[in-house]
Amino acid sequence: DAGITQSPRHKVTETGTPVTLRCHQTENHRYMYWYRQDPGHGLRLIHYSYGVKDTDKGEVSDGYSVSRSKTEDFLLTLESATSSQTSVYFCAISKGLESTDTQYFGPGTRLTVL
Amino acid sequence: ELKVEQNPLFLSMQEGKNYTIYCNYSTTSDRLYWYRQDPGKSLESLFVLLSNGAVKQEGRLMASLDTKARLSTLHITAAVHDLSATYFCAVVYSGGGADGLTFGKGTHLIIQP
Repeated sequence: DAGITQSPRHKVTETGTPVTLRCHQTENHRYMYWYRQDPGHGLRLIHYSYGVKDTDKGEVSDGYSVSRSKTEDFLLTLESATSSQTSVYFCAISKGLESTDTQYFGPGTRLTVL
Repeated sequence: ELKVEQNPLFLSMQEGKNYTIYCNYSTTSDRLYWYRQDPGKSLESLFVLLSNGAVKQEGRLMASLDTKARLSTLHITAAVHDLSATYFCAVVYSGGGADGLTFGKGTHLIIQP
């Protein structure tokens, strides 16, 4: 158990609606990440955070925004969901002092955009 | 742009056999990770390899790293059904800031009794 929870675990929504996914950690680690997993693509980094209010873009950030107002919570928002954002979303934390330390993953959120 | 390639992407093998999964990456990196994922589940960390020549072993799995060749291998010895899963390698790109991982596409491993 990496001390990470994600909510919701499953969500079905319609194209054009806003969606927010939450990642919560219990251990106050500095580095947090959002990835998406799609068949044939492995996992791809969306956004990451290196502290409260410190975030940056990853490989596939278009259409996504993030916020981190507290150490323990990292939110991923789809401002206007599209069918191409149907995916499984994983949050991860780096438990060490360096961002390059091993990342541990949450249970995932399965999002379907109709 | 960092690229990570795994092969094979799909592997069906019999119990008791040995096999190797390969992971090539395109640019210099500080470290390489191997993860396991069971169907419908999250990713589980298996190994982190930190330097050239590093070798890690856990049970029937052994991972190695050759940074000069930009190659890591995950070797399975005397496979058992419980090792059926998808295995991912991932590499850190040292571009500064909080570095995310670049993943290979995964090797879907099925071990038949």
